[in-house]
Amino acid sequence: DQQVKQNSPSLSVQEGRISILNCDYTNSMFDYFLWYKKYPAEGPTFLISISSIKDKNEDGRFTVFLNKSAKHLSLHIVPSQPGDSAVYFCAAPLIAGNNRKLIWGLGTSLAVNP
Amino acid sequence: NAGVMQNPRHLVRRRGQEARLRCSPMKGHSHVYWYRQLPEEGLKFMVYLQKENIIDESGMPKERFSAEFPKEGPSILRIQQVVRGDSAAYFCASSPRFIAGGLGEQFFGPGTRLTVL
Repeated sequence: DQQVKQNSPSLSVQEGRISILNCDYTNSMFDYFLWYKKYPAEGPTFLISISSIKDKNEDGRFTVFLNKSAKHLSLHIVPSQPGDSAVYFCAAPLIAGNNRKLIWGLGTSLAVNP
Repeated sequence: NAGVMQNPRHLVRRRGQEARLRCSPMKGHSHVYWYRQLPEEGLKFMVYLQKENIIDESGMPKERFSAEFPKEGPSILRIQQVVRGDSAAYFCASSPRFIAGGLGEQFFGPGTRLTVL
């Protein structure tokens, strides 16, 4: 059961344009979301997060939007740069009984073309 | 402040041998998480530990896998009698604060790539 879904396995954009990465979730108990970026042969690095009390969080070129009614969030990168080429993971903490873990999407591979 | 350290970076084992993966969290971090990434797949949670305690091991296979985070020293993920299907990248992460139940921003190590021949 994939509680966090990233339905686009890959995305290709031109340098300077906007990249939009999407994430859907099914568990209405999720109230905090994180985006991570991963380069090949490296561990993921934290990018940006958002709490469910907000619908937007911005950090430089990165903005995350949350639509709770649609159970959907998106990461916008503007302007996209070749160094942004990586796999992007959406994740949400699950805290239920004895379970305390991050639930991860399968990732979207972003390619930014010069 | 050094980041999360994992060693070895690459580990080759033959079927039936034991694999020991080590993780030293960032200084001051008492929450450690282990993940596995199979080829062409996303990250799968395995286990969440605090010092000397296993908090959530719901992602860990019931047999052959164990994890510990002793009071002193690194966290260890141990795989006994490895099989080819254990070949994967194993990532360790740590976090400092009890945000979102300890599951806020996690800092990842570079991973250990296990190959079972």
